[in-house]
Amino acid sequence: DTGVSQDPRHKITKRGQNVTFRCDPISEHNRLYWYRQTLGQGPEFLTYFQNEAQLEKSRLLSDRFSAERPKGSFSTLEIQRTEQGDSAMYLCASSLEITFGTDNQPQHFGDGTRLSIL
Amino acid sequence: KNQVEQSPQSLIILEGKNCTLQCNYTVSPFSNLRWYKQDTGRGPVSLTIMTFSENTKSNGRYTATLDADTKQSSLHITASQLSDSASYICVVSARGKLTFGQGTILTVHP
Repeated sequence: DTGVSQDPRHKITKRGQNVTFRCDPISEHNRLYWYRQTLGQGPEFLTYFQNEAQLEKSRLLSDRFSAERPKGSFSTLEIQRTEQGDSAMYLCASSLEITFGTDNQPQHFGDGTRLSIL
Repeated sequence: KNQVEQSPQSLIILEGKNCTLQCNYTVSPFSNLRWYKQDTGRGPVSLTIMTFSENTKSNGRYTATLDADTKQSSLHITASQLSDSASYICVVSARGKLTFGQGTILTVHP
């Protein structure tokens, strides 16, 4: 399977614990995005990378959230001191944009990591 | 505030029938408009992407329209199949930032 893969698919943890999710994008894709989706809603943008550079962060991304893409390939999203409100599906997507500053290519999504906070 | 509103919220149709989903947006500036299909428990899958200059685009049984003047889009599904049951999400891109609608949940009954 050469699509976007996310790990784990499900994570259950107690409030206050730290969690880390991993995303492996399609190999030649230079852009990687993180989204959060709650039940019955569309995804909300969290952050995105162009290669290893984190170019934009949403105001939704509080200081408890950190994302990295150290070598411009896979990415991790860490949530520290989890709260009940963090329960959601965390989606990763990747795309290949030839021209810097454009956004005309489809984003390919993984199947997400569902986080449940007890 | 940039917003994407979709209607109806949910829709039930019989297999073989056609349907049309609506999307209104206030996102500005506008780069492109996308429709995604999301099956339960899966990530969204791209159906179409339309730029400002395009007013219709087809992908198999899916046809999307765009009126950039009125900021409206529609997704028409012809000859529906049971596998079309999913959430259909309208997404507007503005300088690389995507704003998602809440989706229309389509259920196709045999």
